[in-house]
Amino acid sequence: DGGITQSPKYLFRKEGQNVTLSCEQNLNHDAMYWYRQDPGQGLRLIYYSQIVNDFQKGDIAEGYSVSREKKESFPLTVTSAQKNPTAFYLCASSQTGDGYEQYFGPGTRLTVT
Amino acid sequence: GENVEQHPSTLSVQEGDSAVIKCTYSDSASNYFPWYKQELGKGPQLIIDIRSNVGEKKDQRIAVTLNKTAKHFSLHITETQPEDSAVYFCAAIEQGFSFIFGKGTRLLVKP
Repeated sequence: DGGITQSPKYLFRKEGQNVTLSCEQNLNHDAMYWYRQDPGQGLRLIYYSQIVNDFQKGDIAEGYSVSREKKESFPLTVTSAQKNPTAFYLCASSQTGDGYEQYFGPGTRLTVT
Repeated sequence: GENVEQHPSTLSVQEGDSAVIKCTYSDSASNYFPWYKQELGKGPQLIIDIRSNVGEKKDQRIAVTLNKTAKHFSLHITETQPEDSAVYFCAAIEQGFSFIFGKGTRLLVKP
């Protein structure tokens, strides 16, 4: 059963703690992405990676970090430097090249109190 | 960089009516325009897409039209059903692979 998995579905953390969100894909896609979704804001790109061991900042990278050690995995760490971390986080993957569909995972809702 | 504007932000229609959602983009180099449907608490799913060398594409009750000159594209849903109720996002591709998304349209189909 191919697709993208994100875990956990719900995550609760205390302010000041770092937290890592998991994203795994078995679609053999080279490119992976992290988006943040807030009510009325659409999807905003945090980080993306086109190939293993390489990644670039998106529009709202401050307070986040990523790694891409394996093709299948692209974990996102929300650090204590992120001022407003409570949000719905979506991971996606796609083939590289011009105009390929992005496949999304089910998302992780992070609540920081 | 690319900017995508989406209207309306909310749309309410009666079951069986048509729904139209419009998006405009700024970068004339954009060449791929997908539409995603997102149900509550789930990730977005592609419902239809169009490339810049095509003016219209249809898949059963869903169609997308593209006007490259005016830099806008629209989603058309005919014979709406309650299960069409969701948030719909348009997107345009930037730099070959990075999508810029509109802010979404919440569609409510009333039975």
